[in-house]
Amino acid sequence: KQEVTQIPAALSVPEGENLVLNCSFTDSAIYNLQWFRQDPGKGLTSLLLIQSSQREQTSGRLNASLDKSSGRSTLYIAASQPGDSATYLCAVRRVDTDKLIFGTGTRLQVFP
Amino acid sequence: GAGVSQSPSNKVTEKGKDVELRCDPISGHTALYWYRQSLGQGLEFLIYFQGNSAPDKSGLPSDRFSAERTGGSVSTLTIQRTQQEDSAVYLCASSALLTHGYTFGSGTRLTVV
Repeated sequence: KQEVTQIPAALSVPEGENLVLNCSFTDSAIYNLQWFRQDPGKGLTSLLLIQSSQREQTSGRLNASLDKSSGRSTLYIAASQPGDSATYLCAVRRVDTDKLIFGTGTRLQVFP
Repeated sequence: GAGVSQSPSNKVTEKGKDVELRCDPISGHTALYWYRQSLGQGLEFLIYFQGNSAPDKSGLPSDRFSAERTGGSVSTLTIQRTQQEDSAVYLCASSALLTHGYTFGSGTRLTVV
């Protein structure tokens, strides 16, 4: 059974800090891994998608890496801003069932 | 359309009533997924469609829940005889290919009183 865990569960930092959010998964038979952000009371916004054959993806201040063999992904946020405050979710797309399995989430607060 | 559209955005219903939630996926996306997120909880998979068929219904909580998809497009999630524990945000997502990511709608917030 695929399990996805995110560490830390919550994080509160001052503006300007560089952040690292961690995601680990137990089964490496995945098509890809996707990072999302969710604002309170809202749906999910896709941030980055990494295919199983890729090592990393970048978008603006965000960089996500994937080490499939060790079952880990890292989301790096550079120069954090208050607008980055949200819950960040990682999800893996399983090969056998095609559905996304979500992590437990990291609740991020960036204060001015 | 440009994104995944869900309606209604909010629904308040009395216990015991039936409700229908609608999802309009991105045009051309063959795969469609329903998830549920209860207050303070993670995302719970409900059902997955490939075209009009549902290869995986394993997440439906009970036989009060059903879903269909017609024309390879719009999907409807129906909850019969709603209970208070059905209160949650119901999220729909669509995807084009296995190597593509999911795109989520804004969700329907269901409150059963």
